[in-house]
Amino acid sequence: SYVLTQPPSVSVAPGKTATIICGGNNIGSKNVQWYQQKPGQAPVLVIYDDSDRPSGIPERFSGSDSGNTATLTITRVEAGDEADYYCQVWDSSTDSGVFGGGTKLTVL
Amino acid sequence: EVQLLESGGDLVQPGGSLRISCAASGFTFSSYPMSWVRQAPGKGLEWVSGISGPGYSTYYADSVRGRFTISRDNSKNTLYLQINSLRAEDTALYYCAKVRGYYDTGGPDYWGQGTLVTVSS
Repeated sequence: SYVLTQPPSVSVAPGKTATIICGGNNIGSKNVQWYQQKPGQAPVLVIYDDSDRPSGIPERFSGSDSGNTATLTITRVEAGDEADYYCQVWDSSTDSGVFGGGTKLTVL
Repeated sequence: EVQLLESGGDLVQPGGSLRISCAASGFTFSSYPMSWVRQAPGKGLEWVSGISGPGYSTYYADSVRGRFTISRDNSKNTLYLQINSLRAEDTALYYCAKVRGYYDTGGPDYWGQGTLVTVSS
């Protein structure tokens, strides 16, 4: 089955740029979604189709996808960005969805 | 406004069965694929199952195939998940999610608040 690998944690100072990666075999050929989940809340879609932002998501959030790595970038990080972030793709070989293990973003 | 309201979660003994539901509103329910995603306590998200808009196509994670059945009633704007042969590892918060776009392979864009299924004797 298809595996998405994320680092368990990333730390960043306020105002700096956070980069969260999601590794998968030839993930560049897939559409990648990114979700933000704060404690006790349902996930929120922040990036879809690799790099598109839903309405209401700040421009500080951006995504890219190439080769074996997808990347979520958050510029000018704020305290409110502290959350778990998950990448997600569809695995056409098994006709099933797949989530990465999640990355906890800590704002120092 | 899209709203998804799950219900039916309960404490169930191992080997037991349960049906959870998701009432949808704020969009044309029959036009969109839907998914169930679960999250065990303190763990990450796990995709469980998906279903096409008309309900003709269904998809399952290997971990639940043969035990779980997804269905929908488009006349009632309701999504279901029948869960059989429950195991301790099925204990989780089960989220109902609308899929973005009309393709079954899309990712979720709206999520409910979840319904808790606990498997324990």
